[in-house]
Amino acid sequence: DAGVTQSPTHLIKTRGQQVTLRCSPISGHKSVSWYQQVLGQGPQFIFQYYEKEERGRGNFPDRFSARQFPNYSSELNVNALLLGDSALYLCASSLVVNEQFFGPGTRLTVL
Amino acid sequence: QKEVEQNSGPLSVPEGAIASLNCTYSDRGSQSFFWYRQYSGKSPELIMSIYSNGDQEDGRFTAQLNKASQYVSLLIRDSQPSDSATYLCAADSWGKLQFGAGTQVVVTP
Repeated sequence: DAGVTQSPTHLIKTRGQQVTLRCSPISGHKSVSWYQQVLGQGPQFIFQYYEKEERGRGNFPDRFSARQFPNYSSELNVNALLLGDSALYLCASSLVVNEQFFGPGTRLTVL
Repeated sequence: QKEVEQNSGPLSVPEGAIASLNCTYSDRGSQSFFWYRQYSGKSPELIMSIYSNGDQEDGRFTAQLNKASQYVSLLIRDSQPSDSATYLCAADSWGKLQFGAGTQVVVTP
């Protein structure tokens, strides 16, 4: 079975730009969560969606938004990029809300 | 105070020995706990889940949970060079995973 897929793999943007990251969950999984991981730290929770409804939001500014589509895929949008947004963005899918399986991540560099 | 705390390491372990990793958490409402392995430059990979007090074994890995002490641990038996990675402890809080900063394990031949 295919695992969680994310696109793009790498992305380079400049400050002030906007970015959209995409995620497709494991087939049959209805919950998608987004995490940000900066070097040397554990992943930080950004959003969780279940059945297209937002189930949780972490301590991130309103520049961060997300949505889930009817096929359970998801997008994470970040507006007005800052240098500090440079990180590995991880998408995780789960059957319900417990065991979460991560995709390969999108490495975002903001210059 | 961080919600999930781990020793950062590095933890140096001779090949064939037991690696012991520890984790404490602050949210008493957490019911599910997970260990992820993360190789450098890669994403976290789920290796163990534990939901009730006691031990949970899977191959060379044993997870231990003590909810009264708010303590989770991971033992890796017969450590191999391929076990060299960062191990992340996570506590589930209403579907949101709270991660520690990870413990780097280095298995030396």
